[in-house]
Amino acid sequence: EVQLVESGGGLVQPGGSLRLSCAASGFTFSSYSMNWVRQAPGKGLEWLSYISGSSSTIYYADSVKGRFTISRDNAKNSLYLQMNSLRDEDTAVYYCARDLQQMVMGYWGQGTLVTVSS
Amino acid sequence: DIQMTQSPSSLSASVGDRVTITCQASQGISKYLHWYQHKPGKAPKLLIYDASYLETGVPSRFSGSGSGTDFTFTISSLQPEDIATYYCQQNDNLVTFGGGTKVEIK
Repeated sequence: EVQLVESGGGLVQPGGSLRLSCAASGFTFSSYSMNWVRQAPGKGLEWLSYISGSSSTIYYADSVKGRFTISRDNAKNSLYLQMNSLRDEDTAVYYCARDLQQMVMGYWGQGTLVTVSS
Repeated sequence: DIQMTQSPSSLSASVGDRVTITCQASQGISKYLHWYQHKPGKAPKLLIYDASYLETGVPSRFSGSGSGTDFTFTISSLQPEDIATYYCQQNDNLVTFGGGTKVEIK
């Protein structure tokens, strides 16, 4: 059974940093590309970033480019999102998602809440 | 950037009703259009991929159609467990989600 479990969320001050993790199990992690998607309170889904299985291809949404960094450790079956220079508008539930095919998200975690507030 | 316009933003229907949601892309995206169901506090769930293909295990009352810029998502007979927000998503050029359609029971 595919399982994705996010962690690392919490309360952070504006301008601060946070690193999210996504622990994957139930599939050959290195064979699948992964994504981060978020949902701000009362808003819709927003795609943030994509990383291929080998980490050779990475994409970002304009809203986070230069501030967020996606990475993965295939030996640890883990996906990461390093978030720097956080803003109030980054407050959201952050989901990791495994691709069914490129950028079609077939499996999702339950999400981790990030709150940016002073 | 490709914009995805979804309508309506919300709807209320009775159990057993046919429900239709539309999604329009700002430019042609072939069939790179997918539909997700999202219930509060739960992980989003892929229902339809490549415009019309039903994901494994998804009930057949869900269907999708369209290509190019105009797409339709249909629930043939609304069930109480279908209460959720539905999103379209394109991956022709990176990823964009539609604004969502909240489906409620009348």
